[in-house]
Amino acid sequence: GENVEQHPSTLSVQEGDSAVIKCTYSDSASNYFPWYKQELGKRPQLIIDIRSNVGEKKDQRIAVTLNKTAKHFSLHITETQPEDSAVYFCAASIKGGSEKLVFGKGMKLTVNP
Amino acid sequence: KAGVTQTPRYLIKTRGQQVTLSCSPISGHRSVSWYQQTPGQGLQFLFEYFSETQRNKGNFPGRFSGRQFSNSRSEMNVSTLELGDSALYLCASKHLGQANTGELFFGEGSRLTVL
Repeated sequence: GENVEQHPSTLSVQEGDSAVIKCTYSDSASNYFPWYKQELGKRPQLIIDIRSNVGEKKDQRIAVTLNKTAKHFSLHITETQPEDSAVYFCAASIKGGSEKLVFGKGMKLTVNP
Repeated sequence: KAGVTQTPRYLIKTRGQQVTLSCSPISGHRSVSWYQQTPGQGLQFLFEYFSETQRNKGNFPGRFSGRQFSNSRSEMNVSTLELGDSALYLCASKHLGQANTGELFFGEGSRLTVL
């Protein structure tokens, strides 16, 4: 069935290091891939997204890459800061009655000062 | 513009009871989705409503139901509560039409504890 796998489930880095989160999806018809950040006790918020007609998108310190052939996409955070500490969720669109999102299980990122 | 509002924020129920959660979307947003968040399971899709009609449904038992009103406000109901229903229930709204960027705007959630 529809599935999004996210790895790793936890990641701890030193401030200034880079962090990479990888996701794979199962539905070859998926064409929209957003990333959400959820800080402790807060609501998830969209930080970046990519559609299937592009392979990479960048916004300041964050970037997302998409490999449609391999059905995987990744979030890259450079020059990490303590405020990047949060749970990050990837998602992929699935066609149903309308477009819906299937989320990965999330990755907890800890940035140590 | 006010964000997505969910009530109640916290509630405690016992097994066998039923619960109703409410969600008011951002003004102008007509699509409302519900997600269950549990530790280690991420965000699991429950259902989506648009114009008072359910457009999509996740893989949850029939004990989980929802509805949407003409003002786009939505409610979800869980009947015959089980311990495993303890979770954070998140509502998200989306603007459809030309302004639709695909972004979901989440509420802060309703944390349900079943004893």
